[in-house]
Amino acid sequence: NAGVTQTPKFQVLKTGQSMTLQCAQDMNHEYMSWYRQDPGMGLRLIHYSVGAGITDQGEVPNGYNVSRSTTEDFPLRLLSAAPSQTSVYFCASSYRTEAFFGQGTRLTVV
Amino acid sequence: GENVEQHPSTLSVQEGDSAVIKCTYSDSASNYFPWYKQELGKRPQLIIDIRSNVGEKKDQRIAVTLNKTAKHFSLHITETQPEDSAVYFCAASHNSGGYQKVTFGTGTKLQVIP
Repeated sequence: NAGVTQTPKFQVLKTGQSMTLQCAQDMNHEYMSWYRQDPGMGLRLIHYSVGAGITDQGEVPNGYNVSRSTTEDFPLRLLSAAPSQTSVYFCASSYRTEAFFGQGTRLTVV
Repeated sequence: GENVEQHPSTLSVQEGDSAVIKCTYSDSASNYFPWYKQELGKRPQLIIDIRSNVGEKKDQRIAVTLNKTAKHFSLHITETQPEDSAVYFCAASHNSGGYQKVTFGTGTKLQVIP
């Protein structure tokens, strides 16, 4: 099993550009989520999904969209990138308790 | 919603000494408390967890304690080694509409000095 796979690992965007961070898991987990990690602020929940076709907002959803068309995939879309979205992004999947994280995407918006 | 506070934000210990990281939570519905370790440039990984019906759990040099009444839980690392250097996150979790909603603390950067 590959676990949780995130792409890309690094990305630089210009302000106003859009992009999609990809996340895929092969553990058949129903629950998937996106976090952003900023210095001194821990891991903050952006959006989450409890199953295909179901998504909901987390703590910091503004500026991001998600969809869950399949159990395996949970992409995160930045609609119009802003410097405040410079961060490290982690996708995670879980079944009941333990969360399994992807390797992270370091995003810089200039 | 749930609020998890974690202290200290940074911690330096000499190799062989013990390290203690403390967390408090606000939601009495929280019933699962995992701890994650994140090495530099890597993803967070679960190292130990405790459920609300247990007061203490130990795994080799790592132990967690939980005080439900006071709503606080702690991570104890004994005989620290350089490879314990990392950022540690506590978390509190409860069931919300069939989903185990997790709230993370802000992290503790542990440095073990050889």
